[in-house]
Amino acid sequence: SHELTQPPSVSVSPGRTAIITCSGVKLDHNYACWYQQKPGQSPVLVIYQDDKRPSGIPERFSGSNSRNTATLTISGTQAVDEADYYCQSWDSSTGVVFGGGTKLTVL
Amino acid sequence: QVQLVQSGAEVKKPGASVKVSCKASGYTFTRYAMHWVRQAPGQRPEWMGRINAGNDNTKYSQKFQGRVTITKDTSASTVYMQLSSLRSEDTAVYYCARDPDYRGSGMNLWGQGTTVTVSS
Repeated sequence: SHELTQPPSVSVSPGRTAIITCSGVKLDHNYACWYQQKPGQSPVLVIYQDDKRPSGIPERFSGSNSRNTATLTISGTQAVDEADYYCQSWDSSTGVVFGGGTKLTVL
Repeated sequence: QVQLVQSGAEVKKPGASVKVSCKASGYTFTRYAMHWVRQAPGQRPEWMGRINAGNDNTKYSQKFQGRVTITKDTSASTVYMQLSSLRSEDTAVYYCARDPDYRGSGMNLWGQGTTVTVSS
């Protein structure tokens, strides 16, 4: 199976850098994507193919993937970034897999 | 306007089936795949399956194999998800999500979600 593990919560002060990790054995061979979800809203893609930002996503969002760990970094975190973040990957046998989610709190 | 508009909320009894629609607009329907993802309250999103809108190819999660069917009506730019033999654990918000369908592309457009409640 293809499991993705995220920390349940991350806290950050406004203006600081938030780092959210996603670990999984098969991330070594598969891309990671990241979604932001605010309460009562649909998820929004913020990173695809490990490190690419869709149009309209602020530059403070960046991603990387190395040694079975994908990382979402939010530089200069703002209050508006407070949300749940989910990593997602794909495996040819399992299909699409989502991580357990990380609640980002901006204190 | 590029968007996915889903059908309205459903309330079903255990054992029944539900069919949710997702109408695409503002882009070339057949150039993308469409996924169905559900999310129970307080839980992670859960992938159910996908259809390639250009060639009808489908792939389903093993968890839902045999219970879920994803179809499309190209003339109406609409994708459907039918889930049968409903049980209380199927109560969730169901989303359709568009995928440019290349490796690592991700789901870059989501519908507003359809709440399905299964209760006797």
